[in-house]
Amino acid sequence: SAVISQKPSRDICQRGTSLTIQCQVDSQVTMMFWYRQQPGQSLTLIATANQGSEATYESGFVIDKFPISRPNLTFSTLTVSNMSPEDSSIYLCSVKGGFAGELFFGEGSRLTVL
Amino acid sequence: GQNIDQPTEMTATEGAIVQINCTYQTSGFNGLFWYQQHAGEAPTFLSYNVLDGLEEKGRFSSFLSRSKGYSYLLLKELQMKDSASYLCAVSSNYGQNFVFGPGTRLSVLP
Repeated sequence: SAVISQKPSRDICQRGTSLTIQCQVDSQVTMMFWYRQQPGQSLTLIATANQGSEATYESGFVIDKFPISRPNLTFSTLTVSNMSPEDSSIYLCSVKGGFAGELFFGEGSRLTVL
Repeated sequence: GQNIDQPTEMTATEGAIVQINCTYQTSGFNGLFWYQQHAGEAPTFLSYNVLDGLEEKGRFSSFLSRSKGYSYLLLKELQMKDSASYLCAVSSNYGQNFVFGPGTRLSVLP
């Protein structure tokens, strides 16, 4: 299994500001995944972060709103830009591993936008 | 596209057995995963099915029928700590796509 650390674990932000979430993995991985979980909802994939290339965004998510960096095989950041209250969610970093290729998740970053 | 459906909420009694169903529609199916998520925590992996049949893992079992697009998670000897959301997820496109269902919130009562 992989150990994934996320920072910050939670934050309260003002409308119109941006926040960068960091994700550190204890092993080298090709792909890192960023998910969003809105209150009471399931997980929605925002984008896949590939080392050495641009992130791949899912329908409904754009790079200007959620820029991603992937400087090496163990680290990634997700920025939530120009935040609004609708961005209040838990943001989860994830990697694949294990015998079944299951996903492992970081502890999540709970953002509240006022 | 993909469509995954689960019951929204279920309630069961401590010591009982509960079955949580998941139906899905997808192309290029690679596997079905079950996750447990306690309130305020990240999801944790429970089980995986890629072939039809039952996979047993202690108190938890998971079943898959690919022809019916159907899976269930069976929890036996329920404990209070099993109160959580249970998420069904489907992998497709050679594992490149991983889509989660809406989740089932299970409440275990004394």
